[in-house]
Amino acid sequence: NAGVMQNPRHLVRRRGQEARLRCSPMKGHSHVYWYRQLPEEGLKFMVYLQKENIIDESGMPKERFSAEFPKEGPSILRIQQVVRGDSAAYFCASSRSLTGDGYTFGSGTRLTVV
Amino acid sequence: AQTVTQSQPEMSVQEAETVTLSCTYDTSESDYYLFWYKQPPSRQMILVIRQEAYKQQNATENRFSVNFQKAAKSFSLKISDSQLGDAAMYFCAYRSEDYGGSQGNLIFGKGTKLSVKP
Repeated sequence: NAGVMQNPRHLVRRRGQEARLRCSPMKGHSHVYWYRQLPEEGLKFMVYLQKENIIDESGMPKERFSAEFPKEGPSILRIQQVVRGDSAAYFCASSRSLTGDGYTFGSGTRLTVV
Repeated sequence: AQTVTQSQPEMSVQEAETVTLSCTYDTSESDYYLFWYKQPPSRQMILVIRQEAYKQQNATENRFSVNFQKAAKSFSLKISDSQLGDAAMYFCAYRSEDYGGSQGNLIFGKGTKLSVKP
């Protein structure tokens, strides 16, 4: 029973390029959350998705960032025209339902913008 | 809005000793969940322990236990018989039970870096 799978583990992009981060939730989990961790900081909520729906994107920057969770395939966090300030670790977490259980986190993708 | 504060950026403990990590939070809600997560150098976020606010009994998981003081909005983590493998960043997190509002996302503190001395 594989956990939450994120890839790539490390991603290097030049300023202005696009970054695509993938997250496959645990089997049976239909709720996906994306978080961003800046250096020396805790994780900050970005977006919450269910299959084919964005439920809450209140933590997403208004521009350049988008997320999707299609009916088939992984959830994708997309960052267009990356800037140095986008350098961070991006974590995905999944849960089976909206209970109070702690989520299962992936190992994160570390994005470095050069 | 809810906030979580961890006032100890770094802590150190001798192997086999006990250490307590502090966490305070601010909320106007009465029903919520509190968590401690461990993040080792591998970066994986590992759930250590969780506490439902409506439960008065403090949660325990083997060597890990919490001191939950709801009125004081305090949620400290005690690690007994510390082991070298306990060295990591520890994050306190809050989750509302009001799913119509926050939709269940976690609010994290900035973390405490725990070192374990052999």
